[in-house]
Amino acid sequence: DADVTQTPRNRITKTGKRIMLECSQTKGHDRMYWYRQDPGLGLRLIYYSFDVKDINKGEISDGYSVSRQAQAKFSLSLESAIPNQTALYFCATRKTGTGHNEQFFGPGTRLTVL
Amino acid sequence: GDSVTQMEGPVTLSEEAFLTINCTYTATGYPSLFWYVQYPGEGLQLLLKATKADDKGSNKGFEATYRKETTSFHLEKGSVQVSDSAVYFCALSDTGGGNKLTFGTGTQLKVEL
Repeated sequence: DADVTQTPRNRITKTGKRIMLECSQTKGHDRMYWYRQDPGLGLRLIYYSFDVKDINKGEISDGYSVSRQAQAKFSLSLESAIPNQTALYFCATRKTGTGHNEQFFGPGTRLTVL
Repeated sequence: GDSVTQMEGPVTLSEEAFLTINCTYTATGYPSLFWYVQYPGEGLQLLLKATKADDKGSNKGFEATYRKETTSFHLEKGSVQVSDSAVYFCALSDTGGGNKLTFGTGTQLKVEL
């Protein structure tokens, strides 16, 4: 089945370390998104990409960067991790021109920054 | 800017009880509205959607009607099951070029025997 996968599923790191979260999809979708989920805050958009050459900041992009290496791959980096970046991170995809912004989510990466 | 407000949880119900989870929104234009469900340890799955006023989305016994006059999209189910225990998120998509989703804070539902 076409799918959205995220690696790693769980990660514990220390303050100041650089870390990369990866997202891959076999859906053939052009748009990809990174969200973080915090208790009581729902999901908030970090970055989104319409295609390989189009990257856009979301509402909480500070402290994060992204790379769209190919249509199927969208990575999220924390250059110098800090404890308040401890959260559950989700990647999502969407195909332009279909439906009304239905997005398909990966299983999530639980990141803990000590 | 756009925003979504959901009732706070957790909501605890007995099996076969009636469920309502309230959702109201603030947005410019005519957004599409969604309910997503997150089962324990999993990502979000689309439960249902509605794209214009008075549309009713339905799936797996859940329903929600897009009410423009009250800016609401309440989720209902006539008889819940233990397997419905999950976190439910109301969301809207903007009508701009980004088509970004704005989520509510989520409502945890616990269904007991």
